[in-house]
Amino acid sequence: GENVGLHLPTLSVQEGDNSIINCAYSNSASDYFIWYKQESGKGPQFIIDIRSNMDKRQGQRVTVLLNKTVKHLSLQIAATQPGDSAVYFCAETQGAFGSQGNLIFGKGTKLSVKP
Amino acid sequence: KAGVTQTPRYLIKTRGQQVTLSCSPISGHRSVSWYQQTPGQGLQFLFEYFSETQRNKGNFPGRFSGRQFSNSRSEMNVSTLELGDSALYLCASSLRPGGETQYFGPGTRLLVL
Repeated sequence: GENVGLHLPTLSVQEGDNSIINCAYSNSASDYFIWYKQESGKGPQFIIDIRSNMDKRQGQRVTVLLNKTVKHLSLQIAATQPGDSAVYFCAETQGAFGSQGNLIFGKGTKLSVKP
Repeated sequence: KAGVTQTPRYLIKTRGQQVTLSCSPISGHRSVSWYQQTPGQGLQFLFEYFSETQRNKGNFPGRFSGRQFSNSRSEMNVSTLELGDSALYLCASSLRPGGETQYFGPGTRLLVL
């Protein structure tokens, strides 16, 4: 049958502005969360992660916020650059050794940065 | 340290054929997972291997199989290919299963005609 593609949410920002990408996760048992960036023709690239015992974690130009009450995750990118243009995925999993290690991915958000 | 490598990068097959994809994890990583990425379904988990044992399997038919070798390298096989198997197949490695960051390879793009 016809392959209907996922309708990816798109976020368009001006170069230099801050970007916020949101994600709702599904499994209450998930306690480890990762953001990945995927550029066209490449595999997902690790950006930043956070465990459920934290609400916020900062990296270089990126911050991840976790709200366990409403099962919501966000990725903030400061001073967005054209090289940040990509599809961003959140992923959830269970963090304990021996647990199910598979990642459950969100549908992704396409970030477009206008120069 | 070299990243995850996958071979081949591109493949064209016809319906009914079978295909084997290979993945070499980051040195020292013992856990390998496979994912399928399609425009329609997004990224979906196929299976996970650790110490040559399949620990976890996603919701895919038995035509999809895999294995892991003693050096942690992994292969996945798809038999009796269908048009819907056209996808980007991604391999990810981590130090161990559960709670460790998974690092992805560039993927193998499979086209089934």
